[in-house]
Amino acid sequence: RKEVEQDPGPFNVPEGATVAFNCTYSNSASQSFFWYRQDCRKEPKLLMSVYSSGNEDGRFTAQLNRASQYISLLIRDSKLSDSATYLCVVNRHTGRRALTFGSGTRLQVQP
Amino acid sequence: DTEVTQTPKHLVMGMTNKKSLKCEQHMGHRAMYWYKQKAKKPPELMFVYSYEKLSINESVPSRFSPECPNSSLLNLHLHALQPEDSALYLCASSQDRDQPQHFGDGTRLSIL
Repeated sequence: RKEVEQDPGPFNVPEGATVAFNCTYSNSASQSFFWYRQDCRKEPKLLMSVYSSGNEDGRFTAQLNRASQYISLLIRDSKLSDSATYLCVVNRHTGRRALTFGSGTRLQVQP
Repeated sequence: DTEVTQTPKHLVMGMTNKKSLKCEQHMGHRAMYWYKQKAKKPPELMFVYSYEKLSINESVPSRFSPECPNSSLLNLHLHALQPEDSALYLCASSQDRDQPQHFGDGTRLSIL
């Protein structure tokens, strides 16, 4: 089983739609959680950290459920510029302290 | 604009060549990383440096040799690479190993 699992998509949605991605992680020692976005042939860019209480940044809302070991990202009012691959990333603070990336979920927002 | 600078942006080399990839950050970050990314795959961790010391080597072949001359610089020396090593090589840095990482825009490497 992969340590971080995501639905690869693609998710094809019209502009203005609300879309949600989920991600599950297998290692309960994971302590930090992030969403990155990656455009085609570009580097990953940090979208937002994910906190236990949930957090919001404009149209983006991230949630963490430690009991069920999943993370979600909600995008409201989708824009064409939101089209990208969204990477779920977890980090352990003990042992092998390094980011583990999910394989990404591709989002295509259509006019 | 990325605050992690990588050079060169593109590199084409033969299997017998020796070349180096360079990465620089001036954010005072103490952890730096090399990743390899193939098309339609997530980044794969290669090396982690923490306070200029190698902390993780993900069983990377010895034809890749990392070097951290100081806290701002990270190099990746390449020698006798194989065609399957063609990929995007990403450098990243973070305040420390528990903080989010910031990526450079990568070096696109092609091995002939």
